[in-house]
Amino acid sequence: GQQLNQSPQSMFIQEGEDVSMNCTSSSIFNTWLWYKQEPGEGPVLLIALYKAGELTSNGRLTAQFGITRKDSFLNISASIPSDVGIYFCAGLHANTGKLIFGQGTTLQVKP
Amino acid sequence: KAGVTQTPRYLIKTRGQQVTLSCSPISGHRSVSWYQQTPGQGLQFLFEYFSETQRNKGNFPGRFSGRQFSNSRSEMNVSTLELGDSALYLCASSLDPQGSSGNTIYFGEGSWLTVV
Repeated sequence: GQQLNQSPQSMFIQEGEDVSMNCTSSSIFNTWLWYKQEPGEGPVLLIALYKAGELTSNGRLTAQFGITRKDSFLNISASIPSDVGIYFCAGLHANTGKLIFGQGTTLQVKP
Repeated sequence: KAGVTQTPRYLIKTRGQQVTLSCSPISGHRSVSWYQQTPGQGLQFLFEYFSETQRNKGNFPGRFSGRQFSNSRSEMNVSTLELGDSALYLCASSLDPQGSSGNTIYFGEGSWLTVV
């Protein structure tokens, strides 16, 4: 199915390091949503972005809606062990109105 | 307020059987969408319901169907189950139709379906 290009696919970092991941597409999106999913659970919304250029923070997390409306990034500062999980970007496609997901970034944090 | 509630959380079915999954959206939300999540395919959109009407449909066979009730609760049904239908089925709710500007979408914990 149609998906966003999310990278990196996985990351293994040391506690305290900063993390950056992004999603890109050739399509235009009206909204970008970032979710975290832990094993056996549903995705939990972290940050929602509604306007091109918008920069939003949620604690140690910061995300931006790209100016072209075709990309978004998520940064996590000073990572901690409980940041472990799979992070998904999701974009609301401007033409179809469907929520399209990236493939996910698996984050592992070494204490 | 309560989040998105999905039942059952876990179930095992045999090939050829059918299954019905239920989703209660966040109170006041009228849009319910369903997704299938598998390790190989990621999150795939099944369909969206808003005010009891199907608004959007993904690329799944007709064995997958759904409906929404007047209280916004939704059910999805899969008939003639196949082994490949084993997956986590996620329900998401939002206040407005999924493509609406400024809309935020919240997920339930999912229903784990295993087909044997």
